[in-house]
Amino acid sequence: AQSVTQPDIHITVSEGASLELRCNYSYGATPYLFWYVQSPGQGLQLLLKYFSGDTLVQGIKGFEAEFKRSQSSFNLRKPSVHWSDAAEYFCAVDSWGKFQFGAGTQVVVTP
Amino acid sequence: DTAVSQTPKYLVTQMGNDKSIKCEQNLGHDTMYWYKQDSKKFLKIMFSYNNKELIINETVPNRFSPKSPDKAHLNLHINSLELGDSAVYFCASSQGPEFYEQYFGPGTRLTVT
Repeated sequence: AQSVTQPDIHITVSEGASLELRCNYSYGATPYLFWYVQSPGQGLQLLLKYFSGDTLVQGIKGFEAEFKRSQSSFNLRKPSVHWSDAAEYFCAVDSWGKFQFGAGTQVVVTP
Repeated sequence: DTAVSQTPKYLVTQMGNDKSIKCEQNLGHDTMYWYKQDSKKFLKIMFSYNNKELIINETVPNRFSPKSPDKAHLNLHINSLELGDSAVYFCASSQGPEFYEQYFGPGTRLTVT
């Protein structure tokens, strides 16, 4: 069955430290891949997307993600987190018109 | 200017009532969506409209009926509300039905008592 997995439900990171959020998918072909962020009480905002081409994608707010076909992964990274990065992060996949969100990873940023 | 707006932001109602949530986008997009986010933050698509035509209708009770008077608006009407309908409902829009980049509204928190 097609699926999107975010293995980490919750991650705590210190301000200034690096952050990596994992996303794995299970689809027959390479889907379109997205990362969205949801700040508390807010709607979702697109951070970045991958359709094709360069496997390292730059997004907004200093985020980047790397598509690895061999690992069916699309991990999100940020070199140095800010307190304002505390939020829920969702990986999403669009494959042949079937769109699915992962379960989300909550990021807590400590001083 | 708000790109995707929803009203109301909060909705508290009793079981059995009928309620509506309105959504408007000023992005000129052709496609609009309704999502339900449950208490565990799981997001699931409910409906999608492209140019006022229904293109996605996931397994959603018949009590939920979307209505798109024009391509800038997609309203969600819910009949005979149940406790399990309590959730946050998000409206979103995109340029076309292939999803691509979706722009989300701020959400409507529905609480059924």
